[in-house]
Amino acid sequence: QSVLTQPPSASGTPGQRVTISCSGSSSNIGNNIVNWYQHLPGTAPKLLIYTDNQRPSGVPDRFSGSKSDTSASLAISGLQSDDEADYYCAAWDDSLSGWVFGGGTKLTVL
Amino acid sequence: QVQLEQWGGGLLKPSETLSLTCGVYGGSFSGYFWSWIRQSPGKGLEWIGEINHTGFINYNPSLKSRVTISVDRSKDQFSLKLSSVTAADTAVYYCARGRITIYGVVIRGDYWSQGSLVTVSS
Repeated sequence: QSVLTQPPSASGTPGQRVTISCSGSSSNIGNNIVNWYQHLPGTAPKLLIYTDNQRPSGVPDRFSGSKSDTSASLAISGLQSDDEADYYCAAWDDSLSGWVFGGGTKLTVL
Repeated sequence: QVQLEQWGGGLLKPSETLSLTCGVYGGSFSGYFWSWIRQSPGKGLEWIGEINHTGFINYNPSLKSRVTISVDRSKDQFSLKLSSVTAADTAVYYCARGRITIYGVVIRGDYWSQGSLVTVSS
């Protein structure tokens, strides 16, 4: 059971906007930065969003992150077939003294 | 471009020790955090532990008794040893880098390896 809670699946049609939620607590999301990763099986996970809402260079502005209190969200607008992947949120947890992840959300582009 | 390449693992028998090494190429080794993460079949990502730029090592409490992370700065490599493995340790193992911003915030996982499958079976 993951420390951060994400929906197991999400879906949308090309061009649509989808949002993936990530729920935590005051010891992790509430007090530390949140990162989001995109993962295609068999490949290296890719940093998509860091420090809650910052995009690394090369990540399209279709991807955006936000955070409020103990929850964070990843939004993907203008959905494309290439966006089909697993998405994970992560944050440092002060109580556990460890890096914790969400269970991952499998995004399907219909 | 920073690349993390790992080797080791493969097929292990229960009670054996898992050994993995991660080499860092195309970027500096010093001044960063270096982590190990795994993903068991059908499950999410699990942090195993990390070594930071000062040499301080932090382990996942659930694995701490069996894990050793070490670094060889002369070779820009860091390693993972996990003792007394069981079938529950079957997973894809990843190494990853963390960088420190000018504000002292650690951005973990800015670069990852492709991962390697470790299977524990008798």
